[in-house]
Amino acid sequence: TQLLEQSPQFLSIQEGENLTVYCNSSSVFSSLQWYRQEPGEGPVLLVTVVTGGEVKKLKRLTFQFGDARKDSSLHITAAQPGDTGLYLCAGPVFSGGYNKLIFGAGTRLAVHP
Amino acid sequence: NAGVTQTPKFRILKIGQSMTLQCTQDMNHNYMYWYRQDPGMGLKLIYYSVGAGITDKGEVPNGYNVSRSTTEDFPLRLELAAPSQTSVYFCASSYGTGGSGYTFGSGTRLTVV
Repeated sequence: TQLLEQSPQFLSIQEGENLTVYCNSSSVFSSLQWYRQEPGEGPVLLVTVVTGGEVKKLKRLTFQFGDARKDSSLHITAAQPGDTGLYLCAGPVFSGGYNKLIFGAGTRLAVHP
Repeated sequence: NAGVTQTPKFRILKIGQSMTLQCTQDMNHNYMYWYRQDPGMGLKLIYYSVGAGITDKGEVPNGYNVSRSTTEDFPLRLELAAPSQTSVYFCASSYGTGGSGYTFGSGTRLTVV
């Protein structure tokens, strides 16, 4: 069974601090996706990483896919209260003839002014 | 653009009651999914559909049923509600499978008492 483990589970920081959250697996994934979910809403796709070692930047967010395609990280520079939310990583698993996404349990981030 | 629309937003059911969670998308996506989200557990796939008339079970299908008579609509049916079905339910759609990002609805919070 392929699993995605995210750490830390919770993170509470002050505005302006930097942080990194992790998504790890013992299995190889063809790609990994990162989503952000705000209270009372569904997850929203932030980025998809496809190539081992790939780095993608989205303003103050930097996403990296591990060389072996078993892990990914999300680094936020100078966090702002608007970054508060649940960060989920997801990867495709092939079964029943189709790829479906499995999700990690998420990292819940709180950024305080 | 409406994207993925879920109704109702909230619902309280008594044990043994039935209900249908509605989901509709206006992006002409062939692939649609139902997930449930429990605290600390991430998103678990209940059922998915790869097109009108084609559905299949996901990881946690027991106690649920689905149908897909049109491309736009993918309702989820709970026949005999149980407390274990208390959760937040998300419908999602995608253009392709696996590596394609999912568009999620805003969820239905269901409590079974």
